[in-house]
Amino acid sequence: AQTVTQSQPEMSVQEAETVTLSCTYDTSESDYYLFWYKQPPSRQMILVIRQEAYKQQNATENRFSVNFQKAAKSFSLKISDSQLGDAAMYFCAYRSTNSGGGADGLTFGKGTHLIIQP
Amino acid sequence: SAVISQKPSRDICQRGTSLTIQCQVDSQVTMMFWYRQQPGQSLTLIATANQGSEATYESGFVIDKFPISRPNLTFSTLTVSNMSPEDSSIYLCSVGVGGADTQYFGPGTRLTVL
Repeated sequence: AQTVTQSQPEMSVQEAETVTLSCTYDTSESDYYLFWYKQPPSRQMILVIRQEAYKQQNATENRFSVNFQKAAKSFSLKISDSQLGDAAMYFCAYRSTNSGGGADGLTFGKGTHLIIQP
Repeated sequence: SAVISQKPSRDICQRGTSLTIQCQVDSQVTMMFWYRQQPGQSLTLIATANQGSEATYESGFVIDKFPISRPNLTFSTLTVSNMSPEDSSIYLCSVGVGGADTQYFGPGTRLTVL
Protein backbone atom coordinates (compact mmCIF):
# COMPACT_ATOMS: atom_id res chain seq x y z
CA ALA A 1 0.00 0.00 0.00
CA GLN A 2 1.12 3.50 -0.71
CA THR A 3 1.92 5.95 2.06
CA VAL A 4 2.26 9.72 2.01
CA THR A 5 4.31 11.59 4.61
CA GLN A 6 4.21 15.28 5.42
CA SER A 7 6.85 15.89 8.05
CA GLN A 8 5.95 19.52 8.81
CA PRO A 9 2.82 19.77 10.98
CA GLU A 10 3.00 23.56 10.82
CA MET A 11 4.84 26.19 8.81
CA SER A 12 4.86 29.96 9.14
CA VAL A 13 5.86 32.53 6.52
CA GLN A 14 5.80 36.29 6.20
CA GLU A 15 3.36 37.74 3.72
CA ALA A 16 4.99 38.16 0.26
CA GLU A 17 7.72 35.65 1.08
CA THR A 18 8.21 32.17 -0.37
CA VAL A 19 7.54 28.94 1.50
CA THR A 20 8.10 25.29 0.61
CA LEU A 21 5.99 22.45 1.98
CA SER A 22 7.48 18.98 1.97
CA CYS A 23 5.92 15.68 0.95
CA THR A 24 7.41 12.24 0.48
CA TYR A 25 5.66 9.07 -0.57
CA ASP A 26 6.29 5.39 -0.80
CA THR A 27 5.15 3.28 -3.74
CA SER A 28 6.28 0.39 -5.88
CA GLU A 29 4.41 1.72 -8.91
CA SER A 30 6.14 3.49 -11.76
CA ASP A 31 3.21 5.59 -12.87
CA TYR A 32 0.87 7.55 -10.63
CA TYR A 33 -0.52 11.00 -9.90
CA LEU A 34 0.36 13.41 -7.14
CA PHE A 35 -1.71 16.31 -5.88
CA TRP A 36 -1.67 19.18 -3.45
CA TYR A 37 -4.99 20.20 -1.93
CA LYS A 38 -5.72 23.21 0.23
CA GLN A 39 -8.31 23.16 3.02
CA PRO A 40 -9.11 26.57 4.54
CA PRO A 41 -11.21 26.87 7.71
CA SER A 42 -14.34 26.57 5.56
CA ARG A 43 -13.22 22.89 5.21
CA GLN A 44 -13.67 22.95 1.42
CA MET A 45 -10.97 20.86 -0.24
CA ILE A 46 -9.49 22.88 -3.10
CA LEU A 47 -7.19 21.40 -5.72
CA VAL A 48 -3.99 23.43 -5.91
CA ILE A 49 -1.85 21.51 -8.37
CA ARG A 50 -1.37 18.06 -9.87
CA GLN A 51 1.57 16.16 -11.33
CA GLU A 52 1.69 13.07 -13.49
CA ALA A 53 4.65 10.89 -12.58
CA TYR A 54 5.57 10.19 -16.19
CA LYS A 55 6.11 13.90 -16.83
CA GLN A 56 9.56 15.15 -15.98
CA GLN A 57 8.53 18.78 -16.11
CA ASN A 58 7.42 20.22 -12.80
CA ALA A 59 3.84 21.48 -12.71
CA THR A 60 3.14 25.17 -12.08
CA GLU A 61 -0.07 27.10 -11.41
CA ASN A 62 0.49 30.82 -11.04
CA ARG A 63 2.25 31.31 -7.67
CA PHE A 64 2.27 27.58 -6.94
CA SER A 65 4.88 25.19 -8.26
CA VAL A 66 6.16 21.77 -7.36
CA ASN A 67 9.57 20.16 -7.17
CA PHE A 68 8.97 16.57 -8.22
CA GLN A 69 11.90 14.24 -7.60
CA LYS A 70 10.71 10.82 -8.74
CA ALA A 71 13.80 8.86 -7.72
CA ALA A 72 13.70 10.38 -4.26
CA LYS A 73 9.89 10.02 -4.11
CA SER A 74 9.61 13.64 -3.11
CA PHE A 75 6.92 16.14 -4.11
CA SER A 76 7.30 19.54 -2.48
CA LEU A 77 5.05 22.57 -3.00
CA LYS A 78 6.49 26.05 -3.35
CA ILE A 79 4.25 29.04 -2.76
CA SER A 80 5.70 32.31 -4.00
CA ASP A 81 4.59 35.79 -2.91
CA SER A 82 2.55 34.35 -0.04
CA GLN A 83 -0.80 35.99 0.56
CA LEU A 84 -3.07 36.03 3.60
CA GLY A 85 -5.57 33.95 1.66
CA ASP A 86 -3.03 31.15 1.37
CA ALA A 87 -3.44 30.36 5.07
CA ALA A 88 -4.89 26.84 5.28
CA MET A 89 -4.13 23.18 5.79
CA TYR A 90 -2.27 21.74 2.82
CA PHE A 91 -2.57 18.06 2.02
CA CYS A 92 -0.37 16.05 -0.30
CA ALA A 93 -2.16 13.15 -2.00
CA TYR A 94 -1.29 10.14 -4.14
CA ARG A 95 -3.40 8.31 -6.70
CA SER A 96 -2.49 5.11 -8.46
CA THR A 97 -3.01 4.77 -12.20
CA ASN A 98 -4.47 1.33 -11.54
CA SER A 99 -8.23 0.94 -11.55
CA GLY A 100 -10.66 -0.97 -9.45
CA GLY A 101 -11.18 -1.40 -5.77
CA GLY A 102 -9.85 1.53 -3.83
CA ALA A 103 -7.06 2.18 -6.30
CA ASP A 104 -8.93 5.11 -7.75
CA GLY A 105 -9.16 6.83 -4.41
CA LEU A 106 -6.64 9.25 -2.97
CA THR A 107 -4.15 8.51 -0.20
CA PHE A 108 -3.50 11.64 1.84
CA GLY A 109 -0.69 12.82 4.05
CA LYS A 110 -1.46 14.19 7.50
CA GLY A 111 -1.29 17.78 6.32
CA THR A 112 0.72 20.94 7.00
CA HIS A 113 -0.89 23.94 8.65
CA LEU A 114 0.37 27.05 6.87
CA ILE A 115 0.30 30.33 8.77
CA ILE A 116 0.81 33.62 6.94
CA GLN A 117 2.24 36.40 9.09
CA PRO A 118 1.10 39.87 7.98
CA SER B 1 -13.97 20.72 -12.86
CA ALA B 2 -17.40 20.01 -11.34
CA VAL B 3 -19.80 21.74 -8.99
CA ILE B 4 -20.65 19.47 -6.08
CA SER B 5 -23.17 20.06 -3.32
CA GLN B 6 -23.78 18.12 -0.13
CA LYS B 7 -26.73 18.01 2.22
CA PRO B 8 -26.87 18.57 5.11
CA SER B 9 -23.89 20.85 5.65
CA ARG B 10 -23.89 19.94 9.31
CA ASP B 11 -25.97 18.00 11.80
CA ILE B 12 -26.04 17.04 15.44
CA CYS B 13 -27.40 13.56 16.05
CA GLN B 14 -28.13 11.30 18.96
CA ARG B 15 -26.30 8.07 19.60
CA GLY B 16 -27.93 5.06 17.96
CA THR B 17 -29.62 6.98 15.15
CA SER B 18 -28.73 7.11 11.45
CA LEU B 19 -28.02 10.00 9.09
CA THR B 20 -28.08 10.00 5.30
CA ILE B 21 -25.80 12.45 3.51
CA GLN B 22 -26.55 13.44 -0.07
CA CYS B 23 -24.05 14.36 -2.76
CA GLN B 24 -25.18 16.02 -6.00
CA VAL B 25 -22.98 16.83 -9.01
CA ASP B 26 -23.80 19.23 -11.82
CA SER B 27 -22.58 16.82 -14.52
CA GLN B 28 -22.53 13.09 -15.13
CA VAL B 29 -19.55 11.34 -13.59
CA THR B 30 -18.64 7.69 -13.41
CA MET B 31 -16.67 7.68 -10.22
CA MET B 32 -17.76 9.08 -6.87
CA PHE B 33 -15.95 8.68 -3.60
CA TRP B 34 -16.75 9.11 0.07
CA TYR B 35 -14.12 10.20 2.58
CA ARG B 36 -14.08 10.71 6.33
CA GLN B 37 -12.05 13.37 8.10
CA GLN B 38 -11.95 12.87 11.84
CA PRO B 39 -11.27 15.94 14.02
CA GLY B 40 -7.80 17.31 13.38
CA GLN B 41 -6.96 14.46 11.04
CA SER B 42 -6.43 13.84 7.36
CA LEU B 43 -8.92 12.33 4.92
CA THR B 44 -9.50 8.60 4.73
CA LEU B 45 -11.30 6.90 1.86
CA ILE B 46 -14.45 5.09 2.97
CA ALA B 47 -15.62 3.68 -0.35
CA THR B 48 -15.75 4.09 -4.10
CA ALA B 49 -19.23 4.32 -5.60
CA ASN B 50 -19.52 3.67 -9.32
CA GLN B 51 -22.89 3.81 -10.99
CA GLY B 52 -24.23 0.39 -11.90
CA SER B 53 -22.11 -1.56 -9.46
CA GLU B 54 -21.84 -2.19 -5.76
CA ALA B 55 -19.73 0.22 -3.76
CA THR B 56 -16.21 -0.93 -2.93
CA TYR B 57 -15.27 -0.41 0.72
CA GLU B 58 -11.83 0.19 2.16
CA SER B 59 -10.40 -1.83 5.01
CA GLY B 60 -12.08 -0.85 8.26
CA PHE B 61 -15.34 0.26 6.67
CA VAL B 62 -18.32 -2.05 6.15
CA ILE B 63 -21.55 -1.78 4.24
CA ASP B 64 -23.75 -2.36 7.28
CA LYS B 65 -22.28 0.70 8.96
CA PHE B 66 -21.89 2.92 5.86
CA PRO B 67 -24.44 1.87 3.20
CA ILE B 68 -24.04 3.77 -0.05
CA SER B 69 -26.43 4.29 -2.92
CA ARG B 70 -25.56 5.45 -6.44
CA PRO B 71 -28.82 5.56 -8.37
CA ASN B 72 -27.53 7.63 -11.30
CA LEU B 73 -24.49 9.44 -12.66
CA THR B 74 -25.08 12.68 -10.74
CA PHE B 75 -26.13 11.57 -7.27
CA SER B 76 -25.01 9.42 -4.34
CA THR B 77 -25.88 8.98 -0.69
CA LEU B 78 -23.87 7.80 2.29
CA THR B 79 -25.68 6.65 5.42
CA VAL B 80 -23.93 6.57 8.77
CA SER B 81 -25.83 3.92 10.73
CA ASN B 82 -26.24 3.30 14.45
CA MET B 83 -24.05 6.28 15.22
CA SER B 84 -21.72 6.65 18.18
CA PRO B 85 -19.64 9.66 19.25
CA GLU B 86 -16.66 8.12 17.41
CA ASP B 87 -18.51 8.79 14.14
CA SER B 88 -18.23 12.54 14.72
CA SER B 89 -16.33 13.68 11.64
CA ILE B 90 -16.53 15.62 8.43
CA TYR B 91 -17.80 13.45 5.59
CA LEU B 92 -16.83 14.51 2.08
CA CYS B 93 -17.83 13.26 -1.30
CA SER B 94 -15.65 13.70 -4.34
CA VAL B 95 -15.95 12.97 -8.02
CA GLY B 96 -13.41 11.84 -10.55
CA VAL B 97 -13.09 14.08 -13.58
CA GLY B 98 -11.08 13.51 -16.71
CA GLY B 99 -10.99 9.75 -16.39
CA ALA B 100 -10.90 10.14 -12.62
CA ASP B 101 -7.35 11.42 -12.88
CA THR B 102 -8.35 14.37 -10.74
CA GLN B 103 -10.85 14.50 -7.90
CA TYR B 104 -12.95 17.46 -6.90
CA PHE B 105 -14.59 17.64 -3.52
CA GLY B 106 -17.93 18.70 -2.15
CA PRO B 107 -18.11 21.16 0.77
CA GLY B 108 -18.41 18.38 3.35
CA THR B 109 -20.93 17.47 6.04
CA ARG B 110 -19.91 18.11 9.63
CA LEU B 111 -21.49 15.44 11.84
CA THR B 112 -21.54 15.60 15.62
CA VAL B 113 -22.87 12.61 17.55
CA LEU B 114 -23.88 13.14 21.17
